Amino acid sequence: EVQLVESGGGLVKPGGSLRLSCAASGFTFSSYTINWVRQAPGRGLEWVSSISTSGGYIYYADSVKGRFTISRDNAKNSLYLQMNSLRAEDTAVYYCARERVGELQGYYFDSWGQGTLVTVSS
Amino acid sequence: SSMLTQPPSVSVAPGQTARITCGGNNIGSKSVHWYQQKPGQAPVLVVYDDGDRPSGIPERFSGSNSGNTATLTISRVEAGDEAAYYCQVWDSGSFHCVFGTGTEVTVV
Repeated sequence: EVQLVESGGGLVKPGGSLRLSCAASGFTFSSYTINWVRQAPGRGLEWVSSISTSGGYIYYADSVKGRFTISRDNAKNSLYLQMNSLRAEDTAVYYCARERVGELQGYYFDSWGQGTLVTVSS
Repeated sequence: SSMLTQPPSVSVAPGQTARITCGGNNIGSKSVHWYQQKPGQAPVLVVYDDGDRPSGIPERFSGSNSGNTATLTISRVEAGDEAAYYCQVWDSGSFHCVFGTGTEVTVV
């Protein structure tokens, strides 16, 4: 069974840092691009970042570029998100999600973790 | 990057058909995917590649995509279909994933 388990969320002051982790099991982690997606309280889904299988291709949403860093350790079946210079608007549940490519070359997320809550507040 | 517009809410009676639209400039040229999210839970993929269903998703869920509008159709709606639904595309121009604004489906 595919499992993605996020951890590392919590309360942090504006300007602070936090590192999220996502532990994967039940599939060959190194064969999949993995993404971070977040959801602010009462709001919709917002894509954050993507990292390819070996880490050679990395993309960020404009809202986090220059502040967040995505990385992965395939030996540990783990994904990370280093979040620096945090702002109140970064408050959200952060999900990791496994990416698939469809026959129409569209990229979608077929498995999601349960999420970890990050709260940025003084 | 792309913007995807959905109606904030759709109300439907049990047994009827719910149609949720996702509007975007020339969205018909992209592959559209749909997610269902119930309160306090992670999103679940219900349709990918415009109209394909993952295993375990009922045939009542179907999708179409043409021109500037993609549509998720839920036939014979059940109380358990009450949830928020999001469309999603990958914008190959900006290398960004884009989600729609989301639609709350209420079964009345």
